Amino acid sequence: DVKVTQSSRYLVKRTGEKVFLECVQDMDHENMFWYRQDPGLGLRLIYFSYDVKMKEKGDIPEGYSVSREKKERFSLILESASTNQTSMYLCASSINQPQHFGDGTRLSIL
Amino acid sequence: GENVEQHPSTLSVQEGDSAVIKCTYSDSASNYFPWYKQELGKRPQLIIDIRSNVGEKKDQRIAVTLNKTAKHFSLHITETQPEDSAVYFCAASPRRRGTDKLIFGTGTRLQVFP
Repeated sequence: DVKVTQSSRYLVKRTGEKVFLECVQDMDHENMFWYRQDPGLGLRLIYFSYDVKMKEKGDIPEGYSVSREKKERFSLILESASTNQTSMYLCASSINQPQHFGDGTRLSIL
Repeated sequence: GENVEQHPSTLSVQEGDSAVIKCTYSDSASNYFPWYKQELGKRPQLIIDIRSNVGEKKDQRIAVTLNKTAKHFSLHITETQPEDSAVYFCAASPRRRGTDKLIFGTGTRLQVFP
């Protein structure tokens, strides 16, 4: 069974901090994705990666960056956290569909 | 740009009734259409998917239909049960190949009353 693990279920940070969200998958999937989920807005793609060191912007990349140094790990970075980045963040991975999701990280920026 | 619209945003049904959720997509090259169910506090989980060479697919009480000409697809749940209560998301794969990218709808909150 596919396992996508996000490092934290809940995280509280302060404005201006640099925040790292980590995601690890154990199925050798090529594709990995970061979404944010907000009520009424569905799942919006922030960044995705289709190979090690390869990344592409999604629909809402502003204020975020990503890193994929190893195939199994995909990190989302908030360079300088702001209150409007308070949200649920979901990681997913796949190879030839479908995407498999992690449990999510609920991030609060104070 | 690429877009998926989903309706309704909320749906309330009596236990045993049927529920239908509809989605339309903009990219005519889309060829993969999954449906995810997300229970409160849990991860989205795939419940059924369909590819563009098929018009309908069934799995017990769940079915998905696809109309490529009209660019819409629907989720049908028959004999609904309280445990079907959740948020349902449709998605479509856009033109970009080789990346498994998906465009998601905004979700439908389904409530099944006993």
